[in-house]
Amino acid sequence: GAVVSQHPSRVICKSGTSVKIECRSLDFQATTMFWYRQFPKQSLMLMATSNEGSKATYEQGVEKDKFLINHASLTLSTLTVTSAHPEDSSFYICSATSGPDYEQYFGPGTRLTVT
Amino acid sequence: KQEVTQIPAALSVPEGENLVLNCSFTDSAIYNLQWFRQDPGKGLTSLLLIQSSQREQTSGRLNASLDKSSGRSTLYIAASQPGDSATYLCAVSSNTGKLIFGQGTTLQVKP
Repeated sequence: GAVVSQHPSRVICKSGTSVKIECRSLDFQATTMFWYRQFPKQSLMLMATSNEGSKATYEQGVEKDKFLINHASLTLSTLTVTSAHPEDSSFYICSATSGPDYEQYFGPGTRLTVT
Repeated sequence: KQEVTQIPAALSVPEGENLVLNCSFTDSAIYNLQWFRQDPGKGLTSLLLIQSSQREQTSGRLNASLDKSSGRSTLYIAASQPGDSATYLCAVSSNTGKLIFGQGTTLQVKP
């Protein structure tokens, strides 16, 4: 299957700082990328949908000014958690797809810990 | 609003047993349904994708079925192995590609 990478895999930051997470599709062009967060023992919750070259669409309850998403190319999307707080600590996972007829391929996730 | 439910939440079986994981969804207007596997602390691995017009898909020891009208899907695992131990997630998508996930079934296969 197709490969999606995320960087970094783990990050620890201090409260009030910003953290950028990268999601890359390595061997295919992803017209759409999705960002999810997952709390321990819970399922994935969609945060936003990112289409290349356009603004991200955020799910209800997700602060767009706090979670900045950029999808500058068909192989790269970034999620920046601004002014991070301990409650933002979570497992962030991205996925990428070539379109709704195709499978979504998931990255390995980024574990964010805000101290 | 689409809701996806997976039963059971956890399952423990001896090695070699055949097993079925269940997934139900409230809105039958889905575009496709995917089954994923997630190992602890890891991302998701796609197992099977069933388009809304299909009834089932098979890959190796895995078989997934879809009954859109009743809002149900099952994942059948034949001859289970300890390496199959993981959390299995079912997700349905709309035509925008957005996935709605169930809570998952955590499977333990004992040697």
